[in-house]
Amino acid sequence: DTGVSQDPRHKITKRGQNVTFRCDPISEHNRLYWYRQTLGQGPEFLTYFQNEAQLEKSRLLSDRFSAERPKGSFSTLEIQRTEQGDSAMYLCASSRGGGNQPQHFGDGTRLSIL
Amino acid sequence: AQTVTQSQPEMSVQEAETVTLSCTYDTSESNYYLFWYKQPPSRQMILVIRQEAYKQQNATENRFSVNFQKAAKSFSLKISDSQLGDTAMYFCAFILYGGSQGNLIFGKGTKLSVKP
Repeated sequence: DTGVSQDPRHKITKRGQNVTFRCDPISEHNRLYWYRQTLGQGPEFLTYFQNEAQLEKSRLLSDRFSAERPKGSFSTLEIQRTEQGDSAMYLCASSRGGGNQPQHFGDGTRLSIL
Repeated sequence: AQTVTQSQPEMSVQEAETVTLSCTYDTSESNYYLFWYKQPPSRQMILVIRQEAYKQQNATENRFSVNFQKAAKSFSLKISDSQLGDTAMYFCAFILYGGSQGNLIFGKGTKLSVKP
């Protein structure tokens, strides 16, 4: 169990640029989640996958946000035309199934918009 | 709407003492799971303890235990014999059982400081 890995750890970019984050889940986990965490708040759900299928995406914050998990392994989260309000920590988690199976979190990617 | 409320933004406790963190939640569903997660400063979030809503017995994991009151929709976390390494943000969360909804719903967290 090597844990959930996220890359990069930090991303600084100018407003209007596109950014992409990568998440590598624990290898035997079929579910992968993306959350956003702003300062002083708990994580806010964005989207999740079961294998390669994106089962929930209505909570993505706007049409500038998109996520993929093309082969049911790693996932990417892309934000197009970044805005100041996108500055946050983006967390990835994975689990072996749903329900009471615990979600294991990565270290997150901290996005700062200049 | 499904929500989680943690009414204590910050708490502190002396090392070796006991502290209780409060959590209430709101859902119209009857089947769900409850969790406490710990997020140390600049480190990843890790699971502390979990509770199935259909179980009346309160979960216990070493120094961590919960007081689950389903009717009151209350799920407090008790940390006994507090250690310096317990210093962290603690988040209460729940997830519905079954259906396609897979996400955890988190509270805003309680910042716990353990003092030597």
